[in-house]
Amino acid sequence: GNSVTQMEGPVTLSEEAFLTINCTYTATGYPSLFWYVQYPGEGLQLLLKATKADDKGSNKGFEATYRKETTSFHLEKGSVQVSDSAVYFCALNNFNKFYFGSGTKLNVKP
Amino acid sequence: GAVVSQHPSRVICKSGTSVKIECRSLDFQATTMFWYRQFPKKSLMLMATSNEGSKATYEQGVEKDKFLINHASLTLSTLTVTSAHPEDSSFYICSPELEGTDTQYFGPGTRLTVL
Repeated sequence: GNSVTQMEGPVTLSEEAFLTINCTYTATGYPSLFWYVQYPGEGLQLLLKATKADDKGSNKGFEATYRKETTSFHLEKGSVQVSDSAVYFCALNNFNKFYFGSGTKLNVKP
Repeated sequence: GAVVSQHPSRVICKSGTSVKIECRSLDFQATTMFWYRQFPKKSLMLMATSNEGSKATYEQGVEKDKFLINHASLTLSTLTVTSAHPEDSSFYICSPELEGTDTQYFGPGTRLTVL
C-alpha cells in the first residue's frame, strides 16, 4: 500500500540553525512526493515537490531530494527563520490520491 | 494564487444534529473535490472524492449516509455530517483540484466539535 512516515515533533531550533525533517514512504508504482506547510489558522500550502527519482524540489530556501533507493524525501533548510515556524507535512500522490504523514511542528526561537 | 475558503471555520453542535460545511474555490474552477479528515496529531485521511454533477466516491470505512457530499458546481462543494456524534469531532479539510490539471489546493479547514 501507500503510506508516509515522518519524524515526530515538535522540533525546536534557534534562528539560523540547520533543519532536517525526515520523511520516508512506501508506495506502489512511481509516486510524486510533496512537502506542504501549514501556518496557524491557514490551509496547507505547497512548499515543494518532486515527480521522479533523483529530482530535487526547492523553494524559499527549503529543499528535498527524491531518493528511490532509500524511499526518502527529507526536508532541509540551511538557516531557519522565526517565520518558518509551522507544521510541515510530507505527502505522496499516487494515481491522483494523496497520502500524508502525520506532520511535524517546527518552532524556531529568536 | 488559488484561493479556497471553507465555512464555517469552527462549529460546535449538539449530538444528533447535522452540520453543513461549505468549500468554495474563489478564483478557479474545480471539477474534482477531495474531502479530508484530520485527527489531532495525525495525518490527513481522505474521506471521499467527488466530481461536479456526480455522486461522490467514498474511501473504505467512510459511511456515505453519514457524510453527505454535494458538488453542485465547479466552485462549490458541501459536506454534511448527519446526526453528528462526539466521535465525529475532527478537523475537516476540502481540497479542490484545478480543472484540467492534477494540482490540488487546500482549504483552511473546519473544526467540528460535537458535544
